[in-house]
Amino acid sequence: GQQLNQSPQSMFIQEGEDVSMNCTSSSIFNTWLWYKQDPGEGPVLLIALYKAGELTSNGRLTAQFGITRKDSFLNISASIPSDVGIYFCAGSHYNQGGKLIFGQGTELSVKP
Amino acid sequence: KAGVTQTPRYLIKTRGQQVTLSCSPISGHRSVSWYQQTPGQGLQFLFEYFSETQRNKGNFPGRFSGRQFSNSRSEMNVSTLELGDSALYLCASSLEGGLGTGELFFGEGSRLTVL
Repeated sequence: GQQLNQSPQSMFIQEGEDVSMNCTSSSIFNTWLWYKQDPGEGPVLLIALYKAGELTSNGRLTAQFGITRKDSFLNISASIPSDVGIYFCAGSHYNQGGKLIFGQGTELSVKP
Repeated sequence: KAGVTQTPRYLIKTRGQQVTLSCSPISGHRSVSWYQQTPGQGLQFLFEYFSETQRNKGNFPGRFSGRQFSNSRSEMNVSTLELGDSALYLCASSLEGGLGTGELFFGEGSRLTVL
């Protein structure tokens, strides 16, 4: 099935460092979303973006909807151990909000 | 507000058997979507139901089916199980699904192992 190109696949960082990950697509999306998944649980919505160029923050998390509508990035500032997990980007096309196309995920490890 | 509830959380089946998974969406949500998550393929969309009607379908064989009831609860069924069907099956609910913002809220999933 179709997937977004998400990078990096994994990151090992020191506590307190900033983190950046991004997603690109060959097609235009109407909505970009960022989810985090902890082991044994379902993905949890972190940030939702609806307009090209939109920059949205949720605490230490900041995400942007790319101008071309084909990409998005997520930044995490001053990482803490509980940021550990797998982060997924997801996009949906117009009138297909129930059908998300996911990236492969970025596995984040934070060293105290 | 209760979240999305999926049952059972874990189950083991053998090849050729069939399985039914259940999902109760967040109260007031009318759309339920199902996803399959595997290490190799990641998260893949199965289908979406809205007001008891299938609105969208992913690229899965006909062995995968679903339905939604009048109270928005949903079930998915996989018949003639294959080893490759071993996966985490995730249900997600939203207010309006394809008609809305696309913000989906996921359950914890049903972990299916096929032996």
